[in-house]
Amino acid sequence: GQQLNQSPQSMFIQEGEDVSMNCTSSSIFNTWLWYKQDPGEGPVLLIALYKAGELTSNGRLTAQFGITRKDSFLNISASIPSDVGIYFCAGQLHGNTPLVFGKGTRLSVIA
Amino acid sequence: GAGVSQSPSNKVTEKGKDVELRCDPISGHTALYWYRQSLGQGLEFLIYFQGNSAPDKSGLPSDRFSAERTGGSVSTLTIQRTQQEDSAVYLCASRRDLAVNTEAFFGQGTRLTVV
Repeated sequence: GQQLNQSPQSMFIQEGEDVSMNCTSSSIFNTWLWYKQDPGEGPVLLIALYKAGELTSNGRLTAQFGITRKDSFLNISASIPSDVGIYFCAGQLHGNTPLVFGKGTRLSVIA
Repeated sequence: GAGVSQSPSNKVTEKGKDVELRCDPISGHTALYWYRQSLGQGLEFLIYFQGNSAPDKSGLPSDRFSAERTGGSVSTLTIQRTQQEDSAVYLCASRRDLAVNTEAFFGQGTRLTVV
C-alpha cells in the first residue's frame, strides 16, 4: 500500500540537542499528523496540521505542513530522555479516507 | 471504556490455525480502523468501519483476512490459515466521527506470532 517517505530511519542524539525529522509524499495530503509510539503501546498523537504552510507548536515540538501539501517536518528542541521512542508521520487526504503512515524515525537520547 | 482496548495483548499460534483479534473502541466512536505493524515498519492500513456504511476493505492483504463490527461497537479481525508472514502487531483505532479534525485513538495492539 501507499506509504510516506520518512527520514531519518533512526537517530542517536545527546540530551539537550535539537532533533529534526521529515516526511515526503508523491501525492498531496490535506492533513498531516505526527505520532509518537512507546514500546508496547499504540501511537499517540503529538501534533495535527490542517492547512498548507501551517506551523504549529506543542511545547518543545514544532511541526510544519509544507506549502506544496506533499511534505512535513517535526522538530524537537532540547531533547530529554523521555523523548525516546518511534515517531511517525501520517497523511490524510479527506476525513473519510484512512491515515497513511511513514515507516517511522527511531529516536534514542543519550544522557 | 476510557480508551481503545484490544485483546489478547499477545497471541502465539501455529501456522495454519485461525485467529481472532478483538477491539473495543471508545464508547460512542463511530469510526474504527485496523492497521498492521510489521517489525521496523510503519502502520499498514487494513480495513475501516464507519457507522452503518459498508466497510472499506481496500487494505486487506488477502482473502484470509476478514473483519466484522457488530452493533457498531466491538470489532473482530479474523485471520484464517495463518502464515508466518502474518506475524505482526495488529493495531485498532477509533474516531468520534469522520470530521477532518477528529483524533484517532489507538489501542495497545495485539502482537501475533505465527510459529
